[in-house]
Amino acid sequence: GESVGLHLPTLSVQEGDNSIINCAYSNSASDYFIWYKQESGKGPQFIIDIRSNMDKRQGQRVTVLLNKTVKHLSLQIAATQPGDSAVYFCAERDTNAGKSTFGDGTTLTVKP
Amino acid sequence: ETGVTQSPTHLIKTRGQQVTLRCSSQSGHNTVSWYQQALGQGPQFIFQYYREEENGRGNFPPRFSGLQFPNYSSELNVNALELDDSALYLCASSRMTENYGYTFGSGTRLTVV
Repeated sequence: GESVGLHLPTLSVQEGDNSIINCAYSNSASDYFIWYKQESGKGPQFIIDIRSNMDKRQGQRVTVLLNKTVKHLSLQIAATQPGDSAVYFCAERDTNAGKSTFGDGTTLTVKP
Repeated sequence: ETGVTQSPTHLIKTRGQQVTLRCSSQSGHNTVSWYQQALGQGPQFIFQYYREEENGRGNFPPRFSGLQFPNYSSELNVNALELDDSALYLCASSRMTENYGYTFGSGTRLTVV
């Protein structure tokens, strides 16, 4: 079956540094990829998405890179801030199957 | 615009009982999905509803069932509760015709004792 995994369960960075969170996926049929941020006691919050026909997309302080050759997804956060501390999930979506598959998350800790 | 709201926020049930969790979708969203999130893990897809019909399902047994109503609110029903059903249950809504990420509610924390 398909699975989505993150390379590291935890990541600690200094405030102001750039953060890179990685994710590997296995479902070749996935046509849409999303990064979510989840803070304690809350549901996941949409950060940025990318379609499978793209390899890069930028948002405000965030960039998502998609490498379909090796089935790898990454989230880059520029100038990381204490408010960025949270658990980050990547998710792949198979629109035809009508479902999303989440990885287990990377806990990002930003040190002041 | 309103977000996704779920009720109740916390619930304790006894093994073997049945439970109904409720969700109100974000305004303008016609698709609702339910997820189970165990502690320290990512959300696991249970099923998705569009136009009041289930149109996608994850690896959950039939005792997990759902409903979507004409106003796009939704219910998740779980029969014959087991201890392993203890988790955070998340509802998420989206627009089927557009590939946006889901908007999640804050979840219902279910504890089965």
